[in-house]
Amino acid sequence: SSELTQDPAVSVALGQTVRITCQGDSLRSYYANWYQQKPGQAPVLVIYGKNNRPSGIPDRFSGSSSGNTASLTITGAQAEDEADYYCNSRDSSGNHYVFGTGTKVTVL
Amino acid sequence: EVQLVESGGGLVKPGGSLRVSCAASGFTFSNAWMSWVRQAPGKGLEWVGRIKSKTDGGTTDYAAPVKGRFTISRDDSKNTLYLQMNSLKTEDTAVYYCTTTSSWYGYFDYWGQGTLVTVSS
Repeated sequence: SSELTQDPAVSVALGQTVRITCQGDSLRSYYANWYQQKPGQAPVLVIYGKNNRPSGIPDRFSGSSSGNTASLTITGAQAEDEADYYCNSRDSSGNHYVFGTGTKVTVL
Repeated sequence: EVQLVESGGGLVKPGGSLRVSCAASGFTFSNAWMSWVRQAPGKGLEWVGRIKSKTDGGTTDYAAPVKGRFTISRDDSKNTLYLQMNSLKTEDTAVYYCTTTSSWYGYFDYWGQGTLVTVSS
């Protein structure tokens, strides 16, 4: 299967920790990458590869992986972290790419 | 500063054609793998297709829903990426984003602001 499945929505109290998961067969072979998208804006890459943050991404964002599941953790969530989050990886063929179904994160 | 600026979106009838463009600056475009990613209104992200750099063969790959109808090309002399869309369907209605693409990890690191393509009669 080339699908990546995410929980539709999660909520987190301000300053607390939230973990967003992404499941799919391709994750056994390829790393997941993670994007944040706020309403009306283009997505922004927040984690890539094993656990790498592009320049300018706060260190409260981190990534991990085990088996067919990848996770994005926000440690000490801030109000500005409220957004949709998507994972992506290569598909099982390696020549195509697939996105997760997306998770809406609400910061309470 | 990396900039990707899409243009050419608009309203087109089912069965029609449209070409959208992406003007790139701030990086060596000819060395970059590039992709198009789309997002239907209120929906998630969907990879459309990718073109490799000419030094890596310049080959293209497409998602199943658009294969045979869409064509990605590049003009490295103009630092511009193109998406030619033929036989458009209502389900192709989306914001189309131009992105740079990691050749190794398969991530999309820089994104344009997107251009809206609406397919409707």
